[in-house]
Formats: sequence, C-alpha cells, structure tokens
Amino acid sequence: AIQMTQSPSSLSASVGDRVTITCRASQGIRNDLGWYQQKPGRAPKLLIYAASSLQSGVPSRFSGSGSGTDFTLTISSLQPEDFATYYCLQDYNYPRTFGQGTKVEIK
Amino acid sequence: EVQLVESGGGLVQPGGSLRLSCAAPGFTFSSYWMIWVRQAPGKGLEWVATIKQDGSEIYYVDSVKGRFTISRDNAKNSLYLQMNSLRAEDTAVYYCVRDRDFIDGSRHYDALDIWGQGTKVTVSS
Repeated sequence: AIQMTQSPSSLSASVGDRVTITCRASQGIRNDLGWYQQKPGRAPKLLIYAASSLQSGVPSRFSGSGSGTDFTLTISSLQPEDFATYYCLQDYNYPRTFGQGTKVEIK
Repeated sequence: EVQLVESGGGLVQPGGSLRLSCAAPGFTFSSYWMIWVRQAPGKGLEWVATIKQDGSEIYYVDSVKGRFTISRDNAKNSLYLQMNSLRAEDTAVYYCVRDRDFIDGSRHYDALDIWGQGTKVTVSS
C-alpha cells in the first residue's frame, strides 16, 4: 500500500498567517490526490481534488499543488473557521490511503 | 437536499456482526461510486471499501478483507456494509461517502464530495 506522510503533524498559527501543509507519497502518484478538512465532531469536507482543483464553494484562499510524490496544501490567509485537521488522500490505486492528518491550532 | 444518512451502528461483542446502512436521497445514487471511511476514536481517517455504480468493482482495505462486505441497492438508493467477525480494532465512526469521480479526459479522480454524519460502531465485551 502507498504510504502518505503529512508534515507537520500539528502547527500553531495566527489569523492572517500563510499556512503550508505537505503530503509525501511513498511512490509516485501523478496528481491523484485530494485534501480534506475535518472539524471536531464533524464529517470531513472536500477541499481539493486532482491535487490542485478547488471544490465548488471552497474559499479561494485554499490551494493545492504538486505532482509525483510531493504535494502541498496552502491557506493563503488563515481565518478563524480554518482551525481544523487536514488530511490528504491518494486515489492513484487501491487501497486508498490517507495521510495521518495535520492539526492546525490557534497560536 | 443532497445527503447521506447512515444507520445500524451500535455496541457489539467481539466476533459479532453488524450491518450498516446508508440512505442516499436527493441525488441519482446509481450514478456514483460509493465509499465507506472510518475513524477510530481520536485517530485519523481510514478508507475501508469502495463499490462501483453497478457493483461490478469492489475494493477493500486489507484489514477487513474476508470479514466485511460492501453492497448497494440502486433501486432503494442505499449502500450497505456487512461487518462480520468484528474486532476491537474495528471500533470507529463509519462514514458513508459519495465519490463524484471527476473525469478529465481519460483520467479519473476521486472527489469525496458528500459525507454522511457517521454512525458509531463499538466492539467490546
């Protein structure tokens, strides 16, 4: 199975900060990757698919990039509602695998 | 409204069985791949199983192969997960998820765009 490794596991940031989360695949996965946001007690929410395509209704401060093994989720200006845990998910092959998550906390 | 509504979770003893159901009103259920994802208490997300629109392709995570069965009834707009030989490590919230399956030329991309609220499964004696 492809292993997805996110970094950092957690970070503290302030409102207005630029935040970058990285996801690394154990082998090349082209651009077959999505990003999901999860708030406590809630179901996850799709942010990005195909590595860089923004899901409808998601604010443009979220962006994704990368291809092959290295991917990035960027929040250009962190908002109070963005404090959450973020997961990457590879859809290159089965079994699908998630990263372990990155918790974004308030500084 | 497009939504997914899971049911069937609960407390079960190790070795027991449960059947999860997911009702999918509000969209053309038969047009979508469907997925089960789970989350153990305090842990991350884990993909469990996927089923194609007509049930002709099914995939499982290794840890549930031979124990869990994903199925669907397109006439009833419903997805199921039959879970047998349950173990403590199967304890989790189970989410029913729609895959929009974004198509770009010859490429297909998962886009897990609709999630249910989750149903909790606890395996304990």
